[in-house]
Amino acid sequence: ETGVTQTPRHLVMGMTNKKSLKCEQHLGHNAMYWYKQSAKKPLELMFVYNFKEQTENNSVPSRFSPECPNSSHLFLHLHTLQPEDSALYLCASSQGTSGRREQYFGPGTRLTVT
Amino acid sequence: TQLLEQSPQFLSIQEGENLTVYCNSSSVFSSLQWYRQEPGEGPVLLVTVVTGGEVKKLKRLTFQFGDARKDSSLHITAAQPGDTGLYLCAGARVYGGATNKLIFGTGTLLAVQP
Repeated sequence: ETGVTQTPRHLVMGMTNKKSLKCEQHLGHNAMYWYKQSAKKPLELMFVYNFKEQTENNSVPSRFSPECPNSSHLFLHLHTLQPEDSALYLCASSQGTSGRREQYFGPGTRLTVT
Repeated sequence: TQLLEQSPQFLSIQEGENLTVYCNSSSVFSSLQWYRQEPGEGPVLLVTVVTGGEVKKLKRLTFQFGDARKDSSLHITAAQPGDTGLYLCAGARVYGGATNKLIFGTGTLLAVQP
């Protein structure tokens, strides 16, 4: 059983659509992350939030827009995506961003851009 | 860009066999984590190793951190079909003071045939 939930689990969208991914953590953690997982590539860190403040943006295109209203919720707003953005998007949380930074992942959203 | 290379990339074995997965880098890590990811799910943390030379056991899984904290191995004894999944190592490095970055490895996809 995971303390991190993500919705939707699957999403198919056209390149002109706007959609949002949602993540919620029930672990009392302070930090939340968005990762992109594509076939044959290592997990790519996209954004990091600590106490609702964005602390890392790893050169992610502006068509991905994160939002963190509080330490338990994280959103990823999507618009005018490209087919190469199709991937598994994983949300994770941790107790702070220092130390061991052990991450607890959600089940992911499988995104297909047509 | 630091890289954590895992080998082998793919491994298909019969139930009951032993196997070892390697995670190598030229960089030193303050700690190293191992995750297992099953199809359609997010990675789940298995273990964290912190001290050079440290060995940790989790039932049939044995994890070792290299003496120089640049590499790690995962040994599975008498593999079972339930061990099937993607195994990911992730190293934590300190950047610019107290900030830790977690770098994920390239992954090893294990299939255990009954």
